[in-house]
Amino acid sequence: SQQGEEDPQALSIQEGENATMNCSYKTSINNLQWYRQNSGRGLVHLILIRSNEREKHSGRLRVTLDTSKKSSSLLITASRAADTASYFCATDENKAAGNKLTFGGGTRVLVKP
Amino acid sequence: GAVVSQHPSRVICKSGTSVKIECRSLDFQATTMFWYRQFPKKSLMLMATSNEGSKATYEQGVEKDKFLINHASLTLSTLTVTSAHPEDSSFYICSAQVRDYEQYFGPGTRLTVT
Repeated sequence: SQQGEEDPQALSIQEGENATMNCSYKTSINNLQWYRQNSGRGLVHLILIRSNEREKHSGRLRVTLDTSKKSSSLLITASRAADTASYFCATDENKAAGNKLTFGGGTRVLVKP
Repeated sequence: GAVVSQHPSRVICKSGTSVKIECRSLDFQATTMFWYRQFPKKSLMLMATSNEGSKATYEQGVEKDKFLINHASLTLSTLTVTSAHPEDSSFYICSAQVRDYEQYFGPGTRLTVT
Protein backbone atom coordinates (compact mmCIF):
# COMPACT_ATOMS: atom_id res chain seq x y z
CA SER A 1 0.00 0.00 0.00
CA GLN A 2 1.14 3.53 -0.61
CA GLN A 3 2.27 5.20 2.56
CA GLY A 4 2.91 8.59 1.10
CA GLU A 5 0.35 10.96 -0.21
CA GLU A 6 1.53 13.83 -2.31
CA ASP A 7 -0.14 17.06 -3.01
CA PRO A 8 -0.80 18.60 -5.33
CA GLN A 9 -1.15 15.79 -7.84
CA ALA A 10 -0.32 18.21 -10.63
CA LEU A 11 1.26 21.63 -10.78
CA SER A 12 1.65 24.03 -13.69
CA ILE A 13 3.91 27.06 -13.34
CA GLN A 14 5.84 29.54 -15.44
CA GLU A 15 9.58 29.35 -15.84
CA GLY A 16 11.27 31.28 -13.06
CA GLU A 17 8.55 30.62 -10.50
CA ASN A 18 8.98 28.38 -7.50
CA ALA A 19 7.31 25.00 -7.25
CA THR A 20 6.32 23.51 -3.92
CA MET A 21 4.98 20.02 -3.37
CA ASN A 22 4.16 18.17 -0.19
CA CYS A 23 4.31 14.60 0.98
CA SER A 24 2.63 13.04 3.99
CA TYR A 25 3.29 9.63 5.44
CA LYS A 26 1.84 7.45 8.16
CA THR A 27 4.49 5.43 9.97
CA SER A 28 7.82 6.18 11.62
CA ILE A 29 10.66 6.51 9.17
CA ASN A 30 14.43 6.32 9.04
CA ASN A 31 14.66 8.79 6.19
CA LEU A 32 12.68 10.32 3.38
CA GLN A 33 13.89 10.72 -0.17
CA TRP A 34 12.72 12.70 -3.17
CA TYR A 35 13.04 11.42 -6.72
CA ARG A 36 12.37 12.87 -10.14
CA GLN A 37 11.04 10.90 -13.08
CA ASN A 38 10.87 12.16 -16.61
CA SER A 39 8.10 10.66 -18.70
CA GLY A 40 8.76 7.01 -19.49
CA ARG A 41 12.15 7.01 -17.78
CA GLY A 42 13.68 5.74 -14.58
CA LEU A 43 13.97 7.60 -11.32
CA VAL A 44 16.67 10.07 -10.48
CA HIS A 45 17.56 10.52 -6.83
CA LEU A 46 17.35 14.15 -5.78
CA ILE A 47 17.86 14.38 -2.07
CA LEU A 48 17.66 12.36 1.14
CA ILE A 49 16.71 13.81 4.48
CA ARG A 50 17.14 11.81 7.65
CA SER A 51 14.54 11.61 10.36
CA ASN A 52 16.66 13.76 12.68
CA GLU A 53 17.07 16.52 10.11
CA ARG A 54 14.60 19.33 9.53
CA GLU A 55 15.84 20.98 6.38
CA LYS A 56 18.24 20.23 3.59
CA HIS A 57 19.39 22.08 0.50
CA SER A 58 20.84 20.92 -2.78
CA GLY A 59 21.28 23.53 -5.48
CA ARG A 60 17.82 24.89 -6.28
CA LEU A 61 16.15 22.25 -4.14
CA ARG A 62 15.04 22.71 -0.57
CA VAL A 63 13.51 19.89 1.41
CA THR A 64 11.90 20.12 4.81
CA LEU A 65 10.83 17.36 7.13
CA ASP A 66 8.40 17.64 10.02
CA THR A 67 8.30 14.30 11.79
CA SER A 68 5.66 15.52 14.25
CA LYS A 69 3.30 16.11 11.35
CA LYS A 70 4.71 13.24 9.31
CA SER A 71 5.17 15.46 6.32
CA SER A 72 7.83 16.75 3.99
CA SER A 73 7.98 19.42 1.34
CA LEU A 74 10.10 19.87 -1.74
CA LEU A 75 10.69 23.36 -3.07
CA ILE A 76 12.22 23.97 -6.47
CA THR A 77 13.30 27.58 -6.81
CA ALA A 78 13.63 29.52 -10.06
CA SER A 79 12.14 26.66 -12.05
CA ARG A 80 13.24 25.83 -15.56
CA ALA A 81 11.47 24.06 -18.39
CA ALA A 82 13.85 21.13 -17.81
CA ASP A 83 12.34 20.68 -14.34
CA THR A 84 9.17 19.39 -16.00
CA ALA A 85 8.79 15.88 -14.57
CA SER A 86 7.00 13.86 -11.94
CA TYR A 87 8.35 14.10 -8.42
CA PHE A 88 7.97 11.33 -5.87
CA CYS A 89 8.70 11.13 -2.20
CA ALA A 90 9.74 7.78 -0.78
CA THR A 91 10.01 6.71 2.81
CA ASP A 92 12.33 4.14 4.26
CA GLU A 93 10.53 2.69 7.21
CA ASN A 94 12.91 0.57 9.20
CA LYS A 95 15.47 -2.17 8.86
CA ALA A 96 12.97 -4.86 9.74
CA ALA A 97 11.21 -3.94 6.52
CA GLY A 98 14.44 -4.52 4.63
CA ASN A 99 14.93 -0.88 3.80
CA LYS A 100 12.07 -1.03 1.36
CA LEU A 101 11.00 2.25 -0.11
CA THR A 102 7.35 3.20 -0.12
CA PHE A 103 6.52 5.80 -2.73
CA GLY A 104 4.00 8.57 -2.66
CA GLY A 105 1.55 9.13 -5.46
CA GLY A 106 3.73 11.75 -7.11
CA THR A 107 3.30 15.31 -8.26
CA ARG A 108 3.39 16.05 -11.98
CA VAL A 109 5.08 19.37 -12.54
CA LEU A 110 4.83 21.28 -15.80
CA VAL A 111 7.11 24.29 -16.19
CA LYS A 112 6.02 26.45 -19.08
CA PRO A 113 8.70 28.44 -20.88
CA GLY B 1 29.25 5.53 -10.68
CA ALA B 2 26.22 3.55 -9.42
CA VAL B 3 24.68 2.90 -12.82
CA VAL B 4 21.88 0.40 -13.19
CA SER B 5 20.83 -0.88 -16.57
CA GLN B 6 17.74 -2.75 -17.69
CA HIS B 7 17.27 -4.84 -20.76
CA PRO B 8 15.20 -4.68 -22.83
CA SER B 9 13.96 -1.12 -22.60
CA ARG B 10 10.80 -2.02 -24.49
CA VAL B 11 9.23 -5.35 -25.30
CA ILE B 12 6.04 -6.38 -27.02
CA CYS B 13 4.90 -9.95 -26.62
CA LYS B 14 1.87 -12.04 -27.35
CA SER B 15 -0.53 -13.22 -24.69
CA GLY B 16 0.59 -16.50 -23.14
CA THR B 17 4.30 -16.05 -23.74
CA SER B 18 6.96 -15.35 -21.12
CA VAL B 19 9.21 -12.35 -21.00
CA LYS B 20 12.48 -11.94 -19.14
CA ILE B 21 13.74 -8.56 -17.98
CA GLU B 22 17.32 -8.11 -16.80
CA CYS B 23 18.56 -5.66 -14.22
CA ARG B 24 22.28 -5.10 -13.90
CA SER B 25 24.40 -2.99 -11.63
CA LEU B 26 27.21 -1.93 -13.93
CA ASP B 27 29.90 -0.59 -11.66
CA PHE B 28 29.05 -1.86 -8.22
CA GLN B 29 27.84 -4.95 -6.45
CA ALA B 30 24.34 -4.97 -5.07
CA THR B 31 23.34 -7.43 -2.40
CA THR B 32 19.74 -6.36 -2.71
CA MET B 33 17.71 -5.46 -5.75
CA PHE B 34 14.09 -4.36 -5.87
CA TRP B 35 11.47 -4.75 -8.58
CA TYR B 36 8.71 -2.19 -9.02
CA ARG B 37 5.74 -1.88 -11.29
CA GLN B 38 4.32 1.41 -12.45
CA PHE B 39 1.04 2.03 -14.25
CA PRO B 40 0.60 5.17 -16.39
CA LYS B 41 0.56 8.35 -14.33
CA LYS B 42 0.75 6.32 -11.15
CA SER B 43 3.38 5.75 -8.53
CA LEU B 44 5.78 2.84 -8.19
CA MET B 45 4.48 -0.25 -6.46
CA LEU B 46 7.07 -2.57 -4.94
CA MET B 47 6.67 -6.10 -6.25
CA ALA B 48 9.52 -7.94 -4.60
CA THR B 49 12.87 -7.71 -2.88
CA SER B 50 15.62 -9.79 -4.38
CA ASN B 51 18.67 -10.89 -2.45
CA GLU B 52 21.64 -12.55 -4.10
CA GLY B 53 21.68 -16.26 -3.50
CA SER B 54 18.29 -16.50 -1.82
CA LYS B 55 14.65 -16.54 -2.75
CA ALA B 56 12.94 -13.26 -3.43
CA THR B 57 10.51 -11.79 -0.95
CA TYR B 58 7.25 -10.85 -2.62
CA GLU B 59 4.86 -8.15 -1.56
CA GLN B 60 1.32 -9.05 -0.66
CA GLY B 61 -0.80 -9.62 -3.73
CA VAL B 62 2.11 -10.33 -6.08
CA GLU B 63 2.05 -13.84 -7.50
CA LYS B 64 5.48 -15.39 -7.15
CA ASP B 65 4.74 -18.06 -9.74
CA LYS B 66 3.79 -15.44 -12.28
CA PHE B 67 6.63 -13.03 -11.60
CA LEU B 68 9.73 -15.18 -11.27
CA ILE B 69 12.74 -13.44 -9.83
CA ASN B 70 16.26 -14.77 -9.95
CA HIS B 71 19.19 -12.96 -8.37
CA ALA B 72 22.00 -14.93 -9.94
CA SER B 73 24.90 -12.74 -8.93
CA LEU B 74 25.75 -9.54 -7.12
CA THR B 75 25.28 -7.63 -10.36
CA LEU B 76 22.31 -9.31 -12.00
CA SER B 77 18.69 -9.89 -11.15
CA THR B 78 16.06 -11.06 -13.61
CA LEU B 79 12.29 -10.78 -13.60
CA THR B 80 10.37 -13.22 -15.76
CA VAL B 81 6.72 -12.51 -16.43
CA THR B 82 5.27 -15.92 -17.17
CA SER B 83 2.21 -16.55 -19.33
CA ALA B 84 1.80 -12.84 -19.86
CA HIS B 85 -1.64 -11.30 -20.23
CA PRO B 86 -2.61 -7.82 -21.43
CA GLU B 87 -3.18 -6.74 -17.82
CA ASP B 88 0.53 -7.37 -17.19
CA SER B 89 1.33 -4.53 -19.55
CA SER B 90 3.15 -1.99 -17.46
CA PHE B 91 6.42 -0.20 -16.81
CA TYR B 92 8.77 -2.35 -14.74
CA ILE B 93 11.63 -0.68 -12.87
CA CYS B 94 14.39 -2.25 -10.86
CA SER B 95 16.67 -0.70 -8.31
CA ALA B 96 19.88 -1.81 -6.70
CA GLN B 97 20.80 -1.04 -3.14
CA VAL B 98 24.32 0.05 -2.41
CA ARG B 99 24.29 0.80 1.28
CA ASP B 100 21.59 0.75 3.86
CA TYR B 101 19.52 3.38 2.18
CA GLU B 102 20.87 4.23 -1.22
CA GLN B 103 18.94 2.76 -4.10
CA TYR B 104 19.83 3.41 -7.70
CA PHE B 105 17.14 2.89 -10.27
CA GLY B 106 17.28 1.40 -13.71
CA PRO B 107 15.73 3.19 -16.69
CA GLY B 108 12.72 0.88 -16.74
CA THR B 109 11.25 -1.63 -19.18
CA ARG B 110 8.01 -0.97 -20.99
CA LEU B 111 6.12 -4.25 -21.42
CA THR B 112 3.18 -4.43 -23.80
CA VAL B 113 1.25 -7.68 -24.03
CA THR B 114 -0.99 -8.01 -27.06
